[in-house]
Amino acid sequence: DAMVIQNPRYQVTQFGKPVTLSCSQTLNHNVMYWYQQKSSQAPKLLFHYYDKDFNNEADTPDNFQSRRPNTSFCFLDIRSPGLGDAAMYLCATGGDRPNQPQHFGDGTRLSIL
Amino acid sequence: EDQVTQSPEALRLQEGESSSLNCSYTVSGLRGLFWYRQDPGKGPEFLFTLYSAGEEKEKERLKATLTKKESFLHITAPKPEDSATYLCAVQSAGGFKTIFGAGTRLFVKA
Repeated sequence: DAMVIQNPRYQVTQFGKPVTLSCSQTLNHNVMYWYQQKSSQAPKLLFHYYDKDFNNEADTPDNFQSRRPNTSFCFLDIRSPGLGDAAMYLCATGGDRPNQPQHFGDGTRLSIL
Repeated sequence: EDQVTQSPEALRLQEGESSSLNCSYTVSGLRGLFWYRQDPGKGPEFLFTLYSAGEEKEKERLKATLTKKESFLHITAPKPEDSATYLCAVQSAGGFKTIFGAGTRLFVKA
């Protein structure tokens, strides 16, 4: 089955220690999204790629970066995690038009010590 | 500013007790309104897309409707396996930006 896979499912890091979360897809979608979801809150869009074109949301902290080396893979880098960055990070893919549904992975739960 | 508000925050039903979840939105030029289901520790799972006022979509016990200001997710004769968080999201004419509501947590008791 075509799918979106996120690794790892759980990540623990230390305050200030860089961390990278990964996402891969077999749907061959051009658009990939990264969301941050805190407990009982709405998923918040951090940025998205249309192919290699990176689109950052205005309120996404500079601490969050992303890389997309090819269509199948996308990475979320948190350069200096703070306690407030503990959350579920969701990766999603979507079709070429904005009004198409998104397909989500099961997320990475990030904890900060 | 685009905004999505879902109500109620939580809903407890008995099995077979039908009800509705509300999603109110403010958006400049609606491109699509989406309903997703999210189980604990999982990513959202797509349910429906609605594009214009008056549109309706159905799937098993779920029916989604859309007006110019809100959408409803009607659940008919729910079962315990329908227990989940239901998320509403919108995309505006601005492009791929997607705004989610905080969701309604549904609990269905046997």
